[in-house]
This record gives sequence, structure tokens and C-alpha cells, in this order.
Amino acid sequence: DTGVSQNPRHKITKRGQNVTFRCDPISEHNRLYWYRQTLGQGPEFLTYFQNEAQLEKSRLLSDRFSAERPKGSFSTLEIQRTEQGDSAMYLCASSREAGESYGELFFGEGSRLTVL
Amino acid sequence: AQSVTQLDSQVPVFEEAPVELRCNYSSSVSVYLFWYVQYPNQGLQLLLKYLSGSTLVESINGFEAEFNKSQTSFHLRKPSVHISDTAEYFCAALKGDSSYKLIFGSGTRLLVRP
Repeated sequence: DTGVSQNPRHKITKRGQNVTFRCDPISEHNRLYWYRQTLGQGPEFLTYFQNEAQLEKSRLLSDRFSAERPKGSFSTLEIQRTEQGDSAMYLCASSREAGESYGELFFGEGSRLTVL
Repeated sequence: AQSVTQLDSQVPVFEEAPVELRCNYSSSVSVYLFWYVQYPNQGLQLLLKYLSGSTLVESINGFEAEFNKSQTSFHLRKPSVHISDTAEYFCAALKGDSSYKLIFGSGTRLLVRP
């Protein structure tokens, strides 16, 4: 169990640029989640995949945001035409099937985005 | 109303003192409740959870939480804290009975002083 890995850990970009974050979940986990966290707040749900299917998207995920999980393994989160309000920590998590593991998410250390 | 509410943004406490971190949930979420902890420079990790059964649940490092349906609360307690318990604690609930979407509170920073 190597844990959930996120890259890059830090990204500084200028307003209007595109950025992409990658998440590698724990290998046997079929569910993958993206959350966003700003200072002083708890994580906010963005989207969720079961295998390669994106099953739920938050209204927070505007049309500038897109997430993919093409082969049901790693996932990418792309933000186009970044705005200063996009500055946040982007968290990825994965989980097993339900049952005893229901609600147990394994989080990565996050990718911090700063938009200048 | 917020789905999961943590009223205390920071709780300072001296080492070996007891502590309670408060969490209340609304009717808009399920009663599948969780506490996650985030130590400095680490990712969030599950501390304990309530899915059903006994209303008192415990973690391996001495924390416990009690599900109270009448007060819609899931407060986290520890009888004697250590310096190493200094961290951010997040209460969370699943959105619905068959949902995999976790809704988090705003977090409480526990600061343990020597």
C-alpha cells in the first residue's frame, strides 16, 4: 500500500493559464474523489469516479474544470483559464467497495494551487 | 443551515487535560458520521466512524465519539491529550444513505500545549 499520490505538490501560475493535477489512487481502490480545500474551511466535494465513470459532479465544478479517469486507474483534474479564486489545495482520495469501508477515504497530501 | 457544523475553529488545551471537539449535523445528511484528522504536513486520515450499532465508537489512540440522535451531535472526546494530538480535526457525514459523497465541517484546530 503506497498510498494516494498527487502531483505536482505545488503549482504557481498566472491568471488565465491552464493547469493539470494528477492523482494516483491506491491500486485496489475503484472509487476516486476530488475535493478542494481553502484556508479555514473543510474539504469541499468536487467530483467522484467509480472505475472510469464520473458519477457525480458538484456545482462548484464550473465548465472550466474537467476531471477524467480514462482507464479507471489514475485521474487528472484540469483547470482552464485559471482565476485567482481557484487558489486552493486540491485533494484526491480513493476508497474500496462499501460495506465495512463505507465512507473511509484515503487522502493524498494534496496539490496546492496559487494563481497570481 | 450548514450540513455539518463545527463551532470551534481552535481549541487550546494543556497536555494531559481532557478535551471535547464539538460536531453537529443537520437533517440534510445521513447519520453515517466520521471524524478525520490532519496532522501537520500530512493528508487527512480517518480517526473513527459511526455507521450503526453502539453509539459510542473509539479510535486506537484513545479518542472516542458518541452519536446522539436527539441532539444531532457527534462530539469527539479524549480524557487526556498528548502534544502529538496537535492537529486539525474534521467532522464529516455521508450526504445520503446510499451516497459516497462525504460532507465535511470547517474543522477544529486542536493545539496541545506543554
